[in-house]
Amino acid sequence: DAKTTQPNSMESNEEEPVHLPCNHSTISGTDYIHWYRQLPSQGPEYVIHGLTSNVNNRMASLAIAEDRKSSTLILHRATLRDAAVYYCILIQGAQKLVFGQGTRLTINP
Amino acid sequence: GAVVSQHPSWVICKSGTSVKIECRSLDFQATTMFWYRQFPKQSLMLMATSNEGSKATYEQGVEKDKFLINHASLTLSTLTVTSAHPEDSSFYICSARPTGKNEKLFFGSGTQLSVL
Repeated sequence: DAKTTQPNSMESNEEEPVHLPCNHSTISGTDYIHWYRQLPSQGPEYVIHGLTSNVNNRMASLAIAEDRKSSTLILHRATLRDAAVYYCILIQGAQKLVFGQGTRLTINP
Repeated sequence: GAVVSQHPSWVICKSGTSVKIECRSLDFQATTMFWYRQFPKQSLMLMATSNEGSKATYEQGVEKDKFLINHASLTLSTLTVTSAHPEDSSFYICSARPTGKNEKLFFGSGTQLSVL
């Protein structure tokens, strides 16, 4: 089955940049790349999404490879509040979601 | 911003009873909603895609007679766990997406189900 592939866990230090990778080799031309993060005992929250071009918002940046088979979520200066599980999700049309296990990000003070 | 309300946030029930969880989009219409299950320290697992006015689409391995989904309006989907057993204890989450090609998902805050 198609899914996205992310490292199970990553660790970084406070105030340092974090690069969270995601492989989505089965992506098709109209699939959007979304990133969400989940704190314990909460529903996930939106972080960023894009189609082909790199995207920036107040939370993060999204770098999309030229062939779109991978992407990287960039947190420019991690804080302790950024510790969460990050999910890379492909949204195909209105009804299809493709995602994997997510990356558990730990931030060291 | 758009909000998805999920209710109840937690429920404890006896084995053999049924539990209904509601997912409402508060300020947008959602033709499609998604239901997930999550066990402790594990990833989200998509259970089913709920379609307004038609049958839900279930993921492989999810029993449709066990997890009844009803999406009778553009702002409400319900998940009923029928004849619940302790192994159904889990964190259940819904998400909805405003109609439109490039919209993000909005997630509910989740329902913790404990079956005794």
